[in-house]
Amino acid sequence: KNQVEQSPQSLIILEGKNCTLQCNYTVSPFSNLRWYKQDTGRGPVSLTIMTFSENTKSNGRYTATLDADTKQSSLHITASQLSDSASYICVVSGQAGTALIFGKGTTLSVSS
Amino acid sequence: DTAVSQTPKYLVTQMGNDKSIKCEQNLGHDTMYWYKQDSKKFLKIMFSYNNKELIINETVPNRFSPKSPDKAHLNLHINSLELGDSAVYFCASSLRDRNPAGEQYFGPGTRLTVT
Repeated sequence: KNQVEQSPQSLIILEGKNCTLQCNYTVSPFSNLRWYKQDTGRGPVSLTIMTFSENTKSNGRYTATLDADTKQSSLHITASQLSDSASYICVVSGQAGTALIFGKGTTLSVSS
Repeated sequence: DTAVSQTPKYLVTQMGNDKSIKCEQNLGHDTMYWYKQDSKKFLKIMFSYNNKELIINETVPNRFSPKSPDKAHLNLHINSLELGDSAVYFCASSLRDRNPAGEQYFGPGTRLTVT
């Protein structure tokens, strides 16, 4: 069964600290993995997209890694800011034309 | 210069009513989607249209009927609304055959409350 599991479910950190969010998936065949950020009351916004051959991709203070062998991905946030408080959703795409499989997200709260 | 827009933003209605949510994208994309996000914030795809043709139809009650008059629009009509339909509905669009598979751009969402 195609699934995407994220951990932790929620996380609270102090402003300026780093954190890492995890994503494990069982989707096969695999096409690409995406990380989205969803602010409260807004639609998700894409942070990174990685294909099978990519191990890491950065977008500012966000760095995503992908290990296609172990089917794991992580999203590392550096020097967190209050505006990083949001839900972070891991999404895996199978072969072209199939639906995206969404994780349930990690809710990150950054406090001052 | 809104990329993906939805109307209305909020919709409160009674059980049994029929309602529609509209979505428009000005990105020149060829694929549009409808997602439902429940109270636990879990996003799940409902439908996907490519060039006005239905390509994904998940197990959604047939009370939900998408309509795509052209590539830039995908509307969602819901008949006989039920309490369980209360959720936030997101529209999204992408270029389907781009390598990697097209990044999806989401609209702001429509919060539907059925009383």
